Parts: sequence; C-alpha cells; structure tokens
Amino acid sequence: DTEVTQTPKHLVMGMTNKKSLKCEQHMGHRAMYWYKQKAKKPPELMFVYSYEKLSINESVPSRFSPECPNSSLLNLHLHALQPEDSALYLCASSQRGVGGYTDTQYFGPGTRLTVL
Amino acid sequence: QKEVEQDPGPLSVPEGAIVSLNCTYSNSAFQYFMWYRQYSRKGPELLMYTYSSGNKEDGRFTAQVDKSSKYISLFIRDSQPSDSATYLCAMKGAGANNLFFGTGTRLTVIP
Repeated sequence: DTEVTQTPKHLVMGMTNKKSLKCEQHMGHRAMYWYKQKAKKPPELMFVYSYEKLSINESVPSRFSPECPNSSLLNLHLHALQPEDSALYLCASSQRGVGGYTDTQYFGPGTRLTVL
Repeated sequence: QKEVEQDPGPLSVPEGAIVSLNCTYSNSAFQYFMWYRQYSRKGPELLMYTYSSGNKEDGRFTAQVDKSSKYISLFIRDSQPSDSATYLCAMKGAGANNLFFGTGTRLTVIP
C-alpha cells in the first residue's frame, strides 16, 4: 500500500482565517514533505520533515507553519494567507529520512485551497 | 537555464499510438529519475523510477535514461484514452530529498 491521505480535499478561507491541512501515511515512511502547486506548473517544495524534525524550509513565508506531531502525521497551519496563496497543496512521503538512501516520494491527492 | 527542461505540449495522439515523452537536464549529479502521472486536479502518481542509465519496462510503459546525454524518456505503447494526463519528469541526486521537476507535458489520447 502506497497511500498518502490528505484532508480536507477542498478549503475556502478568508485572509483573516486560521485553518490547518492534514496529511497521514501508514507506510512507516520517515520523511514527509509539503509542496505547493499552481495551475499548469510543477510542484514546488515547501518543507521537508525527516524523523519528525524539520530539515528543509524553502524560505516559505511565516504565514505557513508546518508541524509533525508523529511519524505518521504532518500538518500545515495557515494564517493570514493572501489570494496568491491559492493553489493545490500536496503532501508526500518517502521511506527514509534526509541523509539516508535516496528513495521515491509518494504523493497524496492534495488539498485545493482558495483564499478569498 | 532551468535544471530540468520538458516540453509542455500539449500533445494529442490517436488511441493505440506510441507516445514519447522527454526531459533534458543540466545537473550531472542527478542519479535518480522518476516519471509521475497527474490527472487534472489530483496529486501526482508515481509511474516509473529508475536509477542511473538504462531502460526499465513496466507493462505498456518504458523509461529510458541516458546520463551521457542528460536525457530521459518515457514511452507509452498502445496508448489509451485513460492515459490522458500531465506527465511530470522528476530527478534528484544521491542522498538528497529535493526533487527537481520538469514543467510537465499534457497528453491527450483521442479515442
């Protein structure tokens, strides 16, 4: 089973709202990722967690706040977003953490976020 | 120059045709090469994963890597309307977690 699940599937929020995106995997993977994908563009890496520790932050604005409560869960907390943050937010996981053998990333279906 | 170049298409072919999708790259440190298929408004789905140069076949799909030319290909035989999607190439170096994506090629297979 190579399933990564994400909730919610769709989210509409105002610029003053606080919301969270959730990602879950039960494959025993030790690296988890957040990507942002705009229409007709490839995914852009935002954050990488390796063994529940933040290992890569690609200069993402502080209005995006990741959290990894345990090895199976990854959250992305959203606050004071801008309309240009509207995009598909993808979670991915891979078996080994940063520094281990390079291996494949499996993506979830994404959360389609609209900021009004 | 982008790290990974991919023709965005769109590419339209009749059902049953052989499809060839390609990417070029500039970073000789890339060693792991992937092809993802992404249907509209869905997450990318891993299709093929290859290490270094060579060919890999899985059903109707064949992935080729030519590291000397920094060129990778995905061939789809007997294409089906259900193959209509955007195909993203992705690659990375050893020990790295950063994936470098191509822009994606949008494929339509016409019944």
